[in-house]
Amino acid sequence: QVQLQGSGPGLVKPSQTLSLTCTVSGTSITSGLYYWTWVRQPAGQGLEWIGRISTTGDTNYRPSLRSRVKISVDTSKNQISLELSSVTAADTAVYYCARETGTWILNYHYYYAMDVWGQGTTVTVSS
Amino acid sequence: DIVMTQSPDSLAVSLGERATISCKSSQSVLYNSNNKNDLAWYQQKPGQPPKLIIYWASTRDSGVPDRFIGSGSGTDFTLTINSLQAEDVAVYFCQQSYRTPYTFGQGTKLHIK
Repeated sequence: QVQLQGSGPGLVKPSQTLSLTCTVSGTSITSGLYYWTWVRQPAGQGLEWIGRISTTGDTNYRPSLRSRVKISVDTSKNQISLELSSVTAADTAVYYCARETGTWILNYHYYYAMDVWGQGTTVTVSS
Repeated sequence: DIVMTQSPDSLAVSLGERATISCKSSQSVLYNSNNKNDLAWYQQKPGQPPKLIIYWASTRDSGVPDRFIGSGSGTDFTLTINSLQAEDVAVYFCQQSYRTPYTFGQGTKLHIK
């Protein structure tokens, strides 16, 4: 059973860099065709897709965050990392890591949804 | 960005009755090469992460009860929950995976009347 466990500081000062890690268990992050994704949710609000990284290292980021965000993979630790620089109070949220999965149809692989989610890491930006 | 708009924002339904949630996208999310709509539905209960219930607009994820039914194509989609159970109380989100950045609807809060 695949499980994702996020971790990282719960409190970050304004202008500093938020760094979170998502540890994957039950499978290798390099096996299969998946995207490993970060999504955030401010308290009482909706879901915001931050970005993703494929098992081959390709990344896609939300344009409004692209200048501040970096998603990377550490295959030796089976972890995905999120870095968000120059944070402000607007970055306060629960941060989720998730696996985007897909399937093969006629020799082409299609991704379709995020089927496994971590429990979420609450991050507050405050001095 | 593709804008996803859900209605209503909040919905009260009696136990055993039907709940219907609408989701509209600002552009079509029908992927022509596989004739699939890149539209998923998630259920989120308080203090928990979202849970995938429907993908490709109408395919239930493994283990999801058959009272959850997804329908629609192009820009208009519906999540129907038949015979509402107490454990279905949650916020429901639609999400498009047609184009990055992926976007979600604002959510519909479902509770018992």
